[in-house]
Amino acid sequence: EAGVAQSPRYKIIEKRQSVAFWCNPISGHATLYWYQQILGQGPKLLIQFQNNGVVDDSQLPKDRFSAERLKGVDSTLKIQPAKLEDSAVYLCASSPGTGTYEQYFGPGTRLTVT
Amino acid sequence: GENVEQHPSTLSVQEGDSAVIKCTYSDSASNYFPWYKQELGKRPQLIIDIRSNVGEKKDQRIAVTLNKTAKHFSLHITETQPEDSAVYFCAASIPGNQFYFGTGTSLTVIP
Repeated sequence: EAGVAQSPRYKIIEKRQSVAFWCNPISGHATLYWYQQILGQGPKLLIQFQNNGVVDDSQLPKDRFSAERLKGVDSTLKIQPAKLEDSAVYLCASSPGTGTYEQYFGPGTRLTVT
Repeated sequence: GENVEQHPSTLSVQEGDSAVIKCTYSDSASNYFPWYKQELGKRPQLIIDIRSNVGEKKDQRIAVTLNKTAKHFSLHITETQPEDSAVYFCAASIPGNQFYFGTGTSLTVIP
């Protein structure tokens, strides 16, 4: 079974620029998560999708972050404009769906904002 | 929302000794508690988990205990080996499958 795929793996941008990350979950997984992991901290949930609907985006900084999951499969997370404090690893994870608990993480995208 | 606290932040043990990491949570509705191991530059990997209707679970050298009344759960690693060195995260999941992570414990096993 193929795992969660993410791209790019690394990205360096200047502050005020925009950036987008892509995630392809495990086939058939209904639930998709985006996390932000700042160095030395645990992952923080940014947004959770169930199919193509948003379940929870309470911790997403909506003035600069946006995410979509068209057709309930792939997802894109965008930051515009980026700030220095957005430097982090952005992890995507997927899960079969509600009632099933285990989530599987992708390799992450390491973003550096200079 | 849920708040998960994790202690200690760093832990060093001699090879062969046991390691214990403790987490507390705030939301009594949390019903699933996974533990992840994250090696440097890699993704978190699930190592063991426990559901709220179970008090203890063991898998070879790793065990997890849950005290719902006190709202805390712990990871126990016995007979530690150098390859156990990593950062360990606890998490709590509320109904709806939102996950809240602890701040991590950096475990070093000294050969």
